[in-house]
Amino acid sequence: GESVGLHLPTLSVQEGDNSIINCAYSNSASDYFIWYKQESGKGPQFIIDIRSNMDKRQGQRVTVLLNKTVKHLSLQIAATQPGDSAVYFCAEKGYGGSQGNLIFGKGTKLSVKP
Amino acid sequence: NAGVTQTPKFQVLKTGQSMTLQCAQDMNHNSMYWYRQDPGMGLRLIYYSASEGTTDKGEVPNGYNVSRLNKREFSLRLESAAPSQTSVYFCASSEWDNEQFFGPGTRLTVL
Repeated sequence: GESVGLHLPTLSVQEGDNSIINCAYSNSASDYFIWYKQESGKGPQFIIDIRSNMDKRQGQRVTVLLNKTVKHLSLQIAATQPGDSAVYFCAEKGYGGSQGNLIFGKGTKLSVKP
Repeated sequence: NAGVTQTPKFQVLKTGQSMTLQCAQDMNHNSMYWYRQDPGMGLRLIYYSASEGTTDKGEVPNGYNVSRLNKREFSLRLESAAPSQTSVYFCASSEWDNEQFFGPGTRLTVL
């Protein structure tokens, strides 16, 4: 079956540094990927998404990279700030799968040191 | 716009009791979802409704039922709560297969 996992469960960075959060997926037919941020006690918040016909997509201070060859997804956060401290989840939707069938990874906890 | 709202925010049940978790969205989205989140795990899909009038099982549907009351509202019912259903429940909505917007969650404890 499909699986979405993360290489590192925790990541600690210095304020102002760049952060890179990685995600591996197993379904080569997946065609849509999303990154979510979840702060303590809150619901997941959409950060950025990317479709399989793209390799890179940029938002405000965030960039998502998709490497379909090795089935790898990454989220880059530039100039990491204390407010970026949260758990980050990647999620994938399989091609031809039931609408809404997002598969979530277990999450990476990002801690930003002042 | 309030986005996605959920009630209640917290609930404690005894084993065997029943309850309904309510969810509403004001974004005119067609699709709605119910997830559960357990410690150290990502979100797992319980049920979803691709459009008004339809519902389908997700990854972990056992012990739950849902009702898509109208386009705005999607409820999740536990008929006979079990300790294994202690979790945080999130409702989400989306415009078809675009990004999903999540509510604040309901923290449920079953004793």
